[in-house]
Amino acid sequence: AQSVAQPEDQVNVAEGNPLTVKCTYSVSGNPYLFWYVQYPNRGLQFLLKYITGDNLVKGSYGFEAEFNKSQTSFHLKKPSALVSDSALYFCAVRDAQAGTALIFGKGTTLSVSS
Amino acid sequence: DTAVSQTPKYLVTQMGNDKSIKCEQNLGHDTMYWYKQDSKKFLKIMFSYNNKELIINETVPNRFSPKSPDKAHLNLHINSLELGDSAVYFCASSQAGTSGAPYEQYFGPGTRLTVT
Repeated sequence: AQSVAQPEDQVNVAEGNPLTVKCTYSVSGNPYLFWYVQYPNRGLQFLLKYITGDNLVKGSYGFEAEFNKSQTSFHLKKPSALVSDSALYFCAVRDAQAGTALIFGKGTTLSVSS
Repeated sequence: DTAVSQTPKYLVTQMGNDKSIKCEQNLGHDTMYWYKQDSKKFLKIMFSYNNKELIINETVPNRFSPKSPDKAHLNLHINSLELGDSAVYFCASSQAGTSGAPYEQYFGPGTRLTVT
């Protein structure tokens, strides 16, 4: 079965510092990986995805993610955090056996302090 | 223009009632989905529809039934509501179906269902 794990419930960083939100995955074939962000009382917004090719994927709002096949990881990163980045972040993998639906991690709350 | 919209935004109802949540997308996408987010923010796929055909049905009680009158709409009907059905329900849509590149999904704002 395919799955993703987000080992941290919460990540705290100061504004201007780099941030990393961790994600590891388990899939039987080639992974299709996604990051989404959810602001309070809002739907999920797509940030970026990895399909194949470059291990460093650039996305919206200055976020990027690094795919590491040997470590089965897909960590979300940003060089300089903003207070407005504070939100709930979800890593997801596409379940090839079940069509196009996404399997989500439990989510990581990012808190950026000023 | 809202890409994926849901109505209502909030729904409060009593146990045993039947209710529906509507979803519409104006993106021209082929596939639509329903996800459930529980009180711990955990998201799980419930259904997806591709060209009006159900292609996924996870371990969801048969009290839940998706209905798609056309490609732009996927409504969720729930019979005999239970306390455990309280959650936020998200509709989403994406391009392509079971083949092709893994396109990202676009989510609606969610419907917060509270069963009392």
